[in-house]
Amino acid sequence: NAGVTQTPKFQVLKTGQSMTLQCAQDMNHNSMYWYRQDPGMGLRLIYYSASEGTTDKGEVPNGYNVSRLNKREFSLRLESAAPSQTSVYFCAGTGGVSGANVLTFGAGSRLTVL
Amino acid sequence: GNSVTQMEGPVTLSEEAFLTINCTYTATGYPSLFWYVQYPGEGLQLLLKATKADDKGSNKGFEATYRKETTSFHLEKGSVQVSDSAVYFCALRGVQGAQKLVFGQGTRLTINP
Repeated sequence: NAGVTQTPKFQVLKTGQSMTLQCAQDMNHNSMYWYRQDPGMGLRLIYYSASEGTTDKGEVPNGYNVSRLNKREFSLRLESAAPSQTSVYFCAGTGGVSGANVLTFGAGSRLTVL
Repeated sequence: GNSVTQMEGPVTLSEEAFLTINCTYTATGYPSLFWYVQYPGEGLQLLLKATKADDKGSNKGFEATYRKETTSFHLEKGSVQVSDSAVYFCALRGVQGAQKLVFGQGTRLTINP
């Protein structure tokens, strides 16, 4: 099925552990994004990639790194997880099938840091 | 910078009630405006959009009109259903450096039968 696929859907980490959230899309998106969703805060942009080979910081980049591996894949890495990074993470893309203005989201990855 | 302010929730209504969720924005020029909906356990999905002043976006019985004079994009539905229970997000995409959407904080809507 065409769309944005995130893995894993759930993850529990201990403080200081590292992990990578994977995102892959088959909608020919040019731009891809990572958001985090926290209660009462809406969605906040962590990093984005306007096109293959480029990445830029969003509103809350501290503690994260990203890699735009190719046009299809955009991963988010936590090098040393902290409890403040407990959140639901969403990958999204624009362009291609969606059109330039419309974000298509993955189903989300719920991360808990103990 | 650009920003979006939504009415705070949660909002609880009875089935067939009239719904309004307020959204106002701050931006230069003429941004594009969006409403996204998030059903339980899912990612956000586009509900409707408007790209210029006085445009009306509509979908699934929901409507919102782009009001430049009041910098608003309020979401309305004449008769809500239990299946409309979800979290609704207002968002804008600015006209400069326009790679990123800015979201409001979301409004949780619960419809009781």
